[in-house]
Amino acid sequence: NAGVTQTPKFQVLKTGQSMTLQCAQDMNHNSMYWYRQDPGMGLRLIYYSASEGTTDKGEVPNGYNVSRLNKREFSLRLESAAPSQTSVYFCASTPSRDRDNGYTFGSGTRLTVV
Amino acid sequence: AQSVAQPEDQVKVAEGNPLTVKCTYSVSGNPYLFWYVQYPNRGLQFLLKYITGDNLVKGSYGFEAEFNKSQTSFHLKKPSALVSDSALYFCAVRDGGSGTYKYIFGTGTRLKVLA
Repeated sequence: NAGVTQTPKFQVLKTGQSMTLQCAQDMNHNSMYWYRQDPGMGLRLIYYSASEGTTDKGEVPNGYNVSRLNKREFSLRLESAAPSQTSVYFCASTPSRDRDNGYTFGSGTRLTVV
Repeated sequence: AQSVAQPEDQVKVAEGNPLTVKCTYSVSGNPYLFWYVQYPNRGLQFLLKYITGDNLVKGSYGFEAEFNKSQTSFHLKKPSALVSDSALYFCAVRDGGSGTYKYIFGTGTRLKVLA
């Protein structure tokens, strides 16, 4: 089915470990985003990629890095995980900046850092 | 800076009654406004949007929203609630004139429809 695919769905890390969250979309969308969702805080933008080859910081980028590997894939890396990064992470995509059709979201990655 | 507020953490309504989920926003330019719904353990799903045009917009599952520029509001409504509408609802905004790709989301409102 067309859409945004995130892997893994669940992950438990120890403090200081690293990991990469994967995201891929098959809708030929230009723009991709990483959000985190925390209770009472809604969704906060971590990083985004307006188009292939570009990435920019969002509202809460500290502790994260991203790679726009190609048009389809946008990965989020935690170099040294901290308990404060326990959250649900969502990847999303949109066609382009001029077509505001809203985001298509993946189903999320639930990350726990102990 | 752009911002969006959802003043109610939770809304409860009886099945068959009308429902309203409130959203107010602040942007310096033209607002692009969205509503999303999130069911348990799922990603957010697009419901409807306002970019320009008619202030009353209709979306999926019988939902509609009214853009009110003077009150800077974009409340989500449905004439007759269903138990299956119970979910978490998010309002989002971006400044259409700024060129930014960034959307700001509200903190979410949990809708509970009682049978």
